[in-house]
Amino acid sequence: RKEVEQDPGPFNVPEGATVAFNCTYSNSASQSFFWYRQDCRKEPKLLMSVYSSGNEDGRFTAQLNRASQYISLLIRDSKLSDSATYLCVVNINNFNKFYFGSGTKLNVKP
Amino acid sequence: SAVISQKPSRDICQRGTSLTIQCQVDSQVTMMFWYRQQPGQSLTLIATANQGSEATYESGFVIDKFPISRPNLTFSTLTVSNMSPEDSSIYLCSVEAGEGVYGYTFGSGTRLTVV
Repeated sequence: RKEVEQDPGPFNVPEGATVAFNCTYSNSASQSFFWYRQDCRKEPKLLMSVYSSGNEDGRFTAQLNRASQYISLLIRDSKLSDSATYLCVVNINNFNKFYFGSGTKLNVKP
Repeated sequence: SAVISQKPSRDICQRGTSLTIQCQVDSQVTMMFWYRQQPGQSLTLIATANQGSEATYESGFVIDKFPISRPNLTFSTLTVSNMSPEDSSIYLCSVEAGEGVYGYTFGSGTRLTVV
């Protein structure tokens, strides 16, 4: 079983839509959680860290559910520029150990 | 947050040769991480490079194949040795974002093609 699993998508949504991705992790000792965005042929860029209490940054909201071992990313009022692959990243019990999900591809259409 | 300059951005290499990738950070960092992203896949950690000590390699990666240098707190190199087409991949370095940002930032990546 993979440490981190994501629905690869693609999610095809119209501009202005609200879209949500989930990411599940298998190790209950996981400590830190992040969402990254990766554009085609580019490096991943940190979108937001995910805190236990949940956190919001503009149109983006991240939630952590430790009981069910998943994190979520909600994007409101989708823009064309949101089209990218969203990577879920989990740090498991060791500062150096980061596990990346395979990514969820989002296509926002006009 | 920390800014990483990674080079080369891409290269096409003959099998059996070696390529050294460099990452320069604009601030001092304790740890630098090297990742590989194979076509269509997510990132896999190769090793963690600490200044003044041997790099720590993940399962499936060995020092003879991927030697790493970390001469100071702002610089590291990863060498891909005795390359084969299976080494064709994107290689990325990463450090803590710093400056109050909780997370990690990546270099722009090196796209390696082995022919």
